[in-house]
Amino acid sequence: EAQVTQNPRYLITVTGKKLTVTCSQNMNHEYMSWYRQDPGLGLRQIYYSMNVEVTDKGDVPEGYKVSRKEKRNFPLILESPSPNQTSLYFCASSPRTGWANQPQHFGDGTRLSIL
Amino acid sequence: GEDVEQSLFLSVREGDSSVINCTYTDSSSTYLYWYKQEPGAGLQLLTYIFSNMDMKQDQRLTVLLNKKDKHLSLRIADTQTGDSAIYFCAEIMNTGFQKLVFGTGTRLLVSP
Repeated sequence: EAQVTQNPRYLITVTGKKLTVTCSQNMNHEYMSWYRQDPGLGLRQIYYSMNVEVTDKGDVPEGYKVSRKEKRNFPLILESPSPNQTSLYFCASSPRTGWANQPQHFGDGTRLSIL
Repeated sequence: GEDVEQSLFLSVREGDSSVINCTYTDSSSTYLYWYKQEPGAGLQLLTYIFSNMDMKQDQRLTVLLNKKDKHLSLRIADTQTGDSAIYFCAEIMNTGFQKLVFGTGTRLLVSP
C-alpha cells in the first residue's frame, strides 16, 4: 500500500530537548516536504527536498533542520524546541512531475506539544 | 503576497448543498486543488482544476473557477455527515519550481 509514514504521532516534550520526527515514503517519490498546520493559518511549508541531498527552506524554516540521505526518508529535526513550535506537522511526498494527477501524498500527522 | 483565503467555518444540514469559497493570489497558477482533511488524518486530494477550465464536475463535487476574480469554489451536492471535515484549497505558485500554497482551511460541519 502506498503510504507516507510519520513517527511519532503524538509527542509532549520540554523546551530545549532535541527531537526528531521521522517521515518515510514507499512510493519512490523524489519530492518530499514538511508542513506545519496551525489554526487560522492553514498549512505552511517548513522545508522541502527535490531529491537525495537536495533540500531547501520553505516559508517557515526557523528552528528546524532536515536531511535527505536516502530517497525514502526525510526527517524533521528540532535541535532546541520552543513552545511556539507546538503544532501539527505533516510530511508529504510526490513524484517530481505531473502535479495535477499526481498530487502530494500526506502522512497522518504528528502532534507536537512543547512545554 | 501568497495568501490564499477561505472562510473558517460552514455549517449545513444533511442533504443540503455546501459551497466552500476560496480566493487565491497568483493569476499564473496552472492548477488549483481541493483537499479534504478528516479528523486525525492527513490531507487527501479531492479534486483539481486546470486554469483554462471554468468548471469541473466529479460525482457530487463541482468546482467553479473565476480567473478574473481569482475565485475558486467547491460545491458538494447532497452533503452527508461523512463530508464533515476541513477543506483546503491550494494553488501552484510558479516560483522556479512548483510550490503548493494552501489556504487557511474551511471547517464544514454537517448536522443530521
